[in-house]
Amino acid sequence: DTGVSQDPRHKITKRGQNVTFRCDPISEHNRLYWYRQTLGQGPEFLTYFQNEAQLEKSRLLSDRFSAERPKGSFSTLEIQRTEQGDSAMYLCASSLATPLADTQYFGPGTRLTVL
Amino acid sequence: AQTVTQSQPEMSVQEAETVTLSCTYDTSESDYYLFWYKQPPSRQMILVIRQEAYKQQNATENRFSVNFQKAAKSFSLKISDSQLGDAAMYFCAYRSSKSSGDKLTFGTGTRLAVRP
Repeated sequence: DTGVSQDPRHKITKRGQNVTFRCDPISEHNRLYWYRQTLGQGPEFLTYFQNEAQLEKSRLLSDRFSAERPKGSFSTLEIQRTEQGDSAMYLCASSLATPLADTQYFGPGTRLTVL
Repeated sequence: AQTVTQSQPEMSVQEAETVTLSCTYDTSESDYYLFWYKQPPSRQMILVIRQEAYKQQNATENRFSVNFQKAAKSFSLKISDSQLGDAAMYFCAYRSSKSSGDKLTFGTGTRLAVRP
């Protein structure tokens, strides 16, 4: 399967712990995005990469959040000192950087529950 | 900042009938892209249809079509011959055409139920 994959699919953690999520984009896609979706809401943009460069970060991405995309392949999203308000679905998407061929394809998401 | 509004939290349609989901958006840009994404229960989000703002012709994909009214900033989705598999959350999304504006801005979604 060549779709976007995310790991883990579910994560339960205690408040104050650090968590890290991984996203593997579609292999030829050079853009990678992270979104957060809370219950009853649409996804909200967090950050995106073109190759290994992080080009934009949302104000939602507090200092406790960090994302990386070493070598322009997979990406990780780390949340330090988790809070209950971090509980959400974290979605990853990837796309090409070619006009008219730049549709974003989403992964299944990682559901985070902070106790 | 751009905003996307979906005023129908829930909709219901009889199998084989037609349903229209509403979406309005606010932007000061003249060139942009609009999307409808479908999110089935516990499954990943998939693209349903895409519309480029510079195109006057409404996009269609099989049973799915849009009514794009640029002046009114309206972008509704029509699903014809509804099927049980169409039951899902539907999200309308906006994307700027500027090279630095690649992120999607989503509405709050419409949950569509299909009655057998």
